[in-house]
Amino acid sequence: SQQGEEDPQALSIQEGENATMNCSYKTSINNLQWYRQNSGRGLVHLILIRSNEREKHSGRLRVTLDTSKKSSSLLITASRAADTASYFCATDRGGSEKLVFGKGTKLTVNP
Amino acid sequence: NAGVTQTPKFQVLKTGQSMTLQCAQDMNHNSMYWYRQDPGMGLRLIYYSASEGTTDKGEVPNGYNVSRLNKREFSLRLESAAPSQTSVYFCASKGQRRDTQYFGPGTRLTVL
Repeated sequence: SQQGEEDPQALSIQEGENATMNCSYKTSINNLQWYRQNSGRGLVHLILIRSNEREKHSGRLRVTLDTSKKSSSLLITASRAADTASYFCATDRGGSEKLVFGKGTKLTVNP
Repeated sequence: NAGVTQTPKFQVLKTGQSMTLQCAQDMNHNSMYWYRQDPGMGLRLIYYSASEGTTDKGEVPNGYNVSRLNKREFSLRLESAAPSQTSVYFCASKGQRRDTQYFGPGTRLTVL
């Protein structure tokens, strides 16, 4: 069963705008990760946030985590056409060796 | 470093045929994983191996077998392919100290 559910399923914005994607999950976690997938390629890790963290930054990426609401958000600032991809959240279900992925948000950044 | 490599990149099978998907990593990672990705779906775990010599079922193991040949290699076998196994298959690996998974480029499999 899917642990993470991303919202929205698809997002289309103009270059320079900010993009926000949300992820909800069901069970307790040790950490939550975000991955990017360019069309036809494998997933690439973007950022990991631990359950005791509330916010984390990496370049133009900002991730927040609210464990009380079991939700996370990924913000991409000043988006570029090259950010066009699908974005997936993944959770570890309380420290399991396994990750459970959501269905993803398909982001299109128009030049 | 090549990272995670997968062969083949594309494969077409007829129903009932068998094949093995190969995966290798050169990062000295302990854990390796096989996922499938279907349109509109996220990745679903088929099997994983937390260390050399061990394998465990994931969410969708039916119709598949795996072999952790050594620390580097983790293969996925379809004994009797079915059209429902048409999918893109990804292999991934993870080191002991970090929770990040590293993915291969995928194998696109079509079963007719």
